[in-house]
Amino acid sequence: AQKVTQAQTEISVVEKEDVTLDCVYETRDTTYYLFWYKQPPSGELVFLIRRNSFDEQNEISGRYSWNFQKSTSSFNFTITASQVVDSAVYFCALRPFQGAQKLVFGQGTRLTINP
Amino acid sequence: NAGVTQTPKFRVLKTGQSMTLLCAQDMNHEYMYWYRQDPGMGLRLIHYSVGEGTTAKGEVPDGYNVSRLKKQNFLLGLESAAPSQTSVYFCASRKSWDSRYEQYFGPGTRLTVT
Repeated sequence: AQKVTQAQTEISVVEKEDVTLDCVYETRDTTYYLFWYKQPPSGELVFLIRRNSFDEQNEISGRYSWNFQKSTSSFNFTITASQVVDSAVYFCALRPFQGAQKLVFGQGTRLTINP
Repeated sequence: NAGVTQTPKFRVLKTGQSMTLLCAQDMNHEYMYWYRQDPGMGLRLIHYSVGEGTTAKGEVPDGYNVSRLKKQNFLLGLESAAPSQTSVYFCASRKSWDSRYEQYFGPGTRLTVT
């Protein structure tokens, strides 16, 4: 069975602060993908990143960075110099390579950036 | 390409009423999925389909039925709506079994059952 846990239900920071969203996962599969999605107030799901279980290199994209650590089953997401537009609900998700490859989502973290 | 579309965008039902949510994709994708999103619970898989004419149960299938008579459409039915089915419903599609392909999500349908 797979499980994704985002222990932080809500986070509130002041603009320009750095913020890290935690994601811990459980799976018996040896090959899988991990994802982050953003859900802004408008409601749609916006794909941010996909990592496969073979690649533990950290990734940076502008103000966003991701830290994948297989040893601790974590895939954390950091926003540097946060902006009000970053306010959204963020979901971490897991998908195995095999079978119907269903996405398993975490509960989501609501991030509020205050001006 | 319109991508993944969902009809309707909003709906209010009374307890016991029935309705069908339509998901359509124009990308010739094999796999399609229905999720529901509830506060504090993320998205949970209701049913999915790996091809025309096939359906399978996901994590929370009770109270829902689905059909995939045409490859491009995936219908989600509520035969007798209950307040517990108040939720936002997302449809998604994926090209095939190849794990490199992503899921594409529709814009969501907000359903309220009173």
